[in-house]
Amino acid sequence: DTAVSQTPKYLVTQMGNDKSIKCEQNLGHDTMYWYKQDSKKFLKIMFSYNNKELIINETVPNRFSPKSPDKAHLNLHINSLELGDSAVYFCASSQGSGSSSGELFFGEGSRLTVL
Amino acid sequence: AQSVTQLGSHVSVSEGALVLLRCNYSSSVPPYLFWYVQYPNQGLQLLLKYTSAATLVKGINGFEAEFKKSETSFHLTKPSAHMSDAAEYFCAVSEYGNNRLAFGKGNQVVVIP
Repeated sequence: DTAVSQTPKYLVTQMGNDKSIKCEQNLGHDTMYWYKQDSKKFLKIMFSYNNKELIINETVPNRFSPKSPDKAHLNLHINSLELGDSAVYFCASSQGSGSSSGELFFGEGSRLTVL
Repeated sequence: AQSVTQLGSHVSVSEGALVLLRCNYSSSVPPYLFWYVQYPNQGLQLLLKYTSAATLVKGINGFEAEFKKSETSFHLTKPSAHMSDAAEYFCAVSEYGNNRLAFGKGNQVVVIP
């Protein structure tokens, strides 16, 4: 069983559309994250949820809205997609907020291409 | 805020030669340090981590890293490169009580036969 799974793996869409990426983890972790990896492979945190509560919200356009229905799921909805949103979006999870180790477990990524 | 610096985006190494990837960190408190590996079209996988125990940390696939506080460094090494080591490597730092993991810009390792 995949520990952190994301769907879809690939997403190609037109500018202005709205799309969602779903993430699920079966590790029993309390904290989940969304990271964005740009074309130069740079990874930047976007959001983090602990037990369905938003704890990290970086400077991200309001068009990006995370939603955590329960602690095993964290979805990312993007409105009015722009060319610059093209990237690979990674979901990750970790055990506990204020974790002593900070080790993250990553999904395989969702590659978003905006045309 | 904590941060890491990785120099040299592309690193070429001959098969069987030493792999050395440099990472320097900045942190206001004792850090936790990590190396992750990303194979093509995959997510990141933890190679090893330092969490204030032994300064020499051994990880998977024959990699190790040494924490040097005086140099604020956490360089990654492997004595003998294998073709399967070709991947992107990321150094990352976090602080206790802070789930914010900050990544370096990564090193793409190319192994030459």
